[in-house]
Amino acid sequence: KNEVEQSPQNLTAQEGEFITINCSYSVGISALHWLQQHPGGGIVSLFMLSSGKKKHGRLIATINIQEKHSSLHITASHPRDSAVYICAVGGGADGLTFGKGTHLIIQP
Amino acid sequence: ETGVTQSPTHLIKTRGQQVTLRCSSQSGHNTVSWYQQALGQGPQFIFQYYREEENGRGNFPPRFSGLQFPNYSSELNVNALELDDSALYLCASSHKFSGRNNEQFFGPGTRLTVL
Repeated sequence: KNEVEQSPQNLTAQEGEFITINCSYSVGISALHWLQQHPGGGIVSLFMLSSGKKKHGRLIATINIQEKHSSLHITASHPRDSAVYICAVGGGADGLTFGKGTHLIIQP
Repeated sequence: ETGVTQSPTHLIKTRGQQVTLRCSSQSGHNTVSWYQQALGQGPQFIFQYYREEENGRGNFPPRFSGLQFPNYSSELNVNALELDDSALYLCASSHKFSGRNNEQFFGPGTRLTVL
């Protein structure tokens, strides 16, 4: 079973700062997902990636398959970015295996 | 194109009762996965349905069961509710094609409280 570790667990930063959230997993995968969860529960898929790098607006996700490591970056952070960011792997018949999430707070 | 919807949004039950949660997939999606998220934890995979059959299952007892209908909507049934079943239940739909993993789209969840 794949183990997914995220760091940090909690992160508080000032508006405008560059944010990095890390994710490591133990078993080779075909896809890694970055998800965002706001208070109240709804989960939004940010990225699904299997190699290299993807960018969407101020969000950038990278993955190193050999190192079994992925990072999510937020540039020019804003208070509306405050949420829980979750890394998950898999998505086939075994479903997704999730990390515990990184609770991000961006202060004005 | 409509997104994934779940009903009800909140539910309170007592120990020993049975509950049915519902999920409507995003248009064009043929696969539904169900997850349980306890407070402060990441979601845990319950099972997945593909073309009306259970396609995979996580470490959950048989009292957790499901259905998928021809329109790809789905139900999660939990019998003999226990206090630890209190959680947010999430469904996610995707389109499985040629065995590839595809992006999953999540519903807003059903918050179940067992007293």
